Amino acid sequence: GQNIDQPTEMTATEGAIVQINCTYQTSGFNGLFWYQQHAGEAPTFLSYNVLDGLEEKGRFSSFLSRSKGYSYLLLKELQMKDSASYLCAVRDRWGGGNKLTFGTGTQLKVEL
Amino acid sequence: GAGVSQSPSNKVTEKGKDVELRCDPISGHTALYWYRQRLGQGLEFLIYFQGNSAPDKSGLPSDRFSAERTGESVSTLTIQRTQQEDSAVYLCASSLSSPGGELFFGEGSRLTVL
Repeated sequence: GQNIDQPTEMTATEGAIVQINCTYQTSGFNGLFWYQQHAGEAPTFLSYNVLDGLEEKGRFSSFLSRSKGYSYLLLKELQMKDSASYLCAVRDRWGGGNKLTFGTGTQLKVEL
Repeated sequence: GAGVSQSPSNKVTEKGKDVELRCDPISGHTALYWYRQRLGQGLEFLIYFQGNSAPDKSGLPSDRFSAERTGESVSTLTIQRTQQEDSAVYLCASSLSSPGGELFFGEGSRLTVL
């Protein structure tokens, strides 16, 4: 099985940088995803990591350490529209290799 | 269509009735997923399909829940004898089968059991 932990809530200021952490435990790690979900909307893809290191995509970056079972999502130059829930999801190589399990999400509130 | 389509978008039913939720994935996506999201909660894995077979059904909450997929396309999630705790948004997603294939989500079907 899998166990995915992320903080429930975070608050940050417009223009600042925020780091959202995710730790996981799985017997067959096969990739980690970050998704963004605005209230009342479907989740949308942000990033994918399968090897250790940092993946940068515009204002968003995601880091992975497989040995530590740890990832973070870094959001720079925060904007009010970044207020949303950020979901960490881990892909498991068992059960067909495509099962994706989500954490409970981190609710980010961006303030002026 | 261009994206994942789900129907109905909203369903209100009485306790004890059966409901059927439909998902049309993106054309060519062989993997299809069903998740449940209760109000203010995270995404709870229910089942996923690789083609028409379901390698992992471990998330189905009880034998009242079942799902099928035909023609490597449309999937239906059926909930029999609905209970109030079944009230949630049911999200469907599809992806290519490559390990890095991102999931594309539909808008969800909001189920309310009175």
